[in-house]
Amino acid sequence: DTEVTQTPKHLVMGMTNKKSLKCEQHMGHRAMYWYKQKAKKPPELMFVYSYEKLSINESVPSRFSPECPNSSLLNLHLHALQPEDSALYLCASSQVIRPGGAHYGYTFGSGTRLTVV
Amino acid sequence: AQKITQTQPGMFVQEKEAVTLDCTYDTSDPSYGLFWYKQPSSGEMIFLIYQGSYDQQNATEGRYSLNFQKARKSANLVISASQLGDSAMYFCAMREREGGKLIFGQGTELSVKP
Repeated sequence: DTEVTQTPKHLVMGMTNKKSLKCEQHMGHRAMYWYKQKAKKPPELMFVYSYEKLSINESVPSRFSPECPNSSLLNLHLHALQPEDSALYLCASSQVIRPGGAHYGYTFGSGTRLTVV
Repeated sequence: AQKITQTQPGMFVQEKEAVTLDCTYDTSDPSYGLFWYKQPSSGEMIFLIYQGSYDQQNATEGRYSLNFQKARKSANLVISASQLGDSAMYFCAMREREGGKLIFGQGTELSVKP
């Protein structure tokens, strides 16, 4: 079993709906990430949280709103999405980078397959 | 800026044969980490193998080995004795010391034939 748990695994939502994606890890990692991935494309970074604070927002539209309530949880709130937002949303966690510490990889969850209708 | 390049969109290999997936990278940071991930159709990104920029020896993990040629800035993944379950997308990725973002190449779709 993966050590990063994402729920739900599948989500279908209308363009006027509000929904949330959830991600949980218990590895003591203090950095957490949201990626968006289209079919047969590499994951694209959306947000980075470091010590529960948003450190990177890759110019993501405001209809995506991240939240990190504590060191184990990461949410992605969705509102007024467009059909082109349909994708696999991956959550990941890692040790926070430190000088000389480029060696920490990411642990990924299984993803949420989102369909916007 | 860091960059990862995978030039093989798709590859086929016969079961039980070895296959090499290519990856080249570019970075100005002397300290970096290179990673390979496998992504089956289920979607999960599975970590396979890691190589640090200061590592003297090529990394190995079971049937996976990394052919690291630092001067050429290449980090090719070698899968020995391919199995049907190896059919998946494979991503090469790099993480620099600064910023810590994990950046992915375009991926290679590997199909193992029986």
